[in-house]
Parts: sequence; C-alpha cells; structure tokens
Amino acid sequence: GENVEQHPSTLSVQEGDSAVIKCTYSDSASNYFPWYKQELGKRPQLIIDIRSNVGEKKDQRIAVTLNKTAKHFSLHITETQPEDSAVYFCAPRATGSDYKLSFGAGTTVTVRA
Amino acid sequence: NAGVTQTPKFQVLKTGQSMTLQCAQDMNHNSMYWYRQDPGMGLRLIYYSASEGTTDKGEVPNGYNVSRLNKREFSLRLESAAPSQTSVYFCASSFDGDNEQFFGPGTRLTVL
Repeated sequence: GENVEQHPSTLSVQEGDSAVIKCTYSDSASNYFPWYKQELGKRPQLIIDIRSNVGEKKDQRIAVTLNKTAKHFSLHITETQPEDSAVYFCAPRATGSDYKLSFGAGTTVTVRA
Repeated sequence: NAGVTQTPKFQVLKTGQSMTLQCAQDMNHNSMYWYRQDPGMGLRLIYYSASEGTTDKGEVPNGYNVSRLNKREFSLRLESAAPSQTSVYFCASSFDGDNEQFFGPGTRLTVL
C-alpha cells in the first residue's frame, strides 16, 4: 500500500505569514493529489487538488505544487488568517488502487493573531 | 440538499454489544466509503463501495461489516464491539472514484 508522510505535524504561524506543508508518498503510480481541511469538531472538506499532468494549481490564497520525480506535493497558504487554523490532510491516490485515498496523519496549523 | 448524513451522532457501547451506523447521501453519487479517525493517525479506510451492489475491504476491515442497501445508503455494522473500536467514524461519497469525496458529520463511538 501507499506510505504517506506529512511534515511538519504541527505548524504555528503569525497572521499574514505563509504556511507550507509537505506530503511525501511512496507509490510512483499515484496520479491524484488532494488536500483536505478539517476544522475542530467538523468534517474533512476538500480545499484543493491536483492531477499528475499539472505541476501547480492555485485558488486564491492556497496553492498546491507537485514534484512527481521526487514523489512529493505541497500545500501553500499565503496571507494566513485565523480561519486557516485547522488540521490539513494530504491523501494521494494511485492508479489501480480502486478509488482508495491514503490519508496522511495530518498537520495542525495554528494562526496566531 | 442535505449532502451526506450519518446517524447516530454519538454512541456509547459496552464491549460485546453490536450496532449499525447509518449513512445516506442525496447527491446521486455512485461511490461510498467508511473511514475511522483516531488521534494522530489521519483517516483510515474501513470499507468502500465503488458502485451499488459492490463492496470491498479497505485498510482496516477487521471487526466490521458493511451493506450497500441501495444507491443512497451505506451502513457499517460492528458485530461485537471492542474498546479498540472507540473512534470517530466518517462516511463519505463521491460521484465516482476519480472525484472529490464529500464527508458526513461523523459518529463519535465509545466502547467501554
């Protein structure tokens, strides 16, 4: 199965600064790379995803970059705001995995006012 | 649209008791999933149903069974609950395996 590692496990940033979370995966057949956000006590929700034929994707203050050669992808949040405080999960999926996402352990982001 | 709904929201069981967690979606999705979430371990897939009439094991299926009752509903059954099954359980659905998964609000289960 896919081995997924997220770093760092916790991240504290000053409001307005940037945050970067890295996800490393093991299966070179992975072709779909989503990031989910989970606020305290809430359900996970997709915030951005990228497919293997694209190197970078942006949506307002968030972006995802993909390095398939090195088998990692990263979530970038710029101009952080208090509402960005949450746990973020990467969940790469490999072709032939029959729809199964492999979730990382999560990164807890705290934005300090 | 309600999206993905789960019942119950909370449940306390004694070791050895059985129960069924219910999940329904009104988005006409083909694929449905059951995950458990434990502190520091992300979400782990228990069972999934790629389409109505099919079910398959995920990463941690032992101690669980599932039923895809129809296209809308996917239930998870614990036949003989154990303290190791104390967790938060999430149901999710997607149009198919290549699309975004939408999660339900979760069920917090405690087994004493």
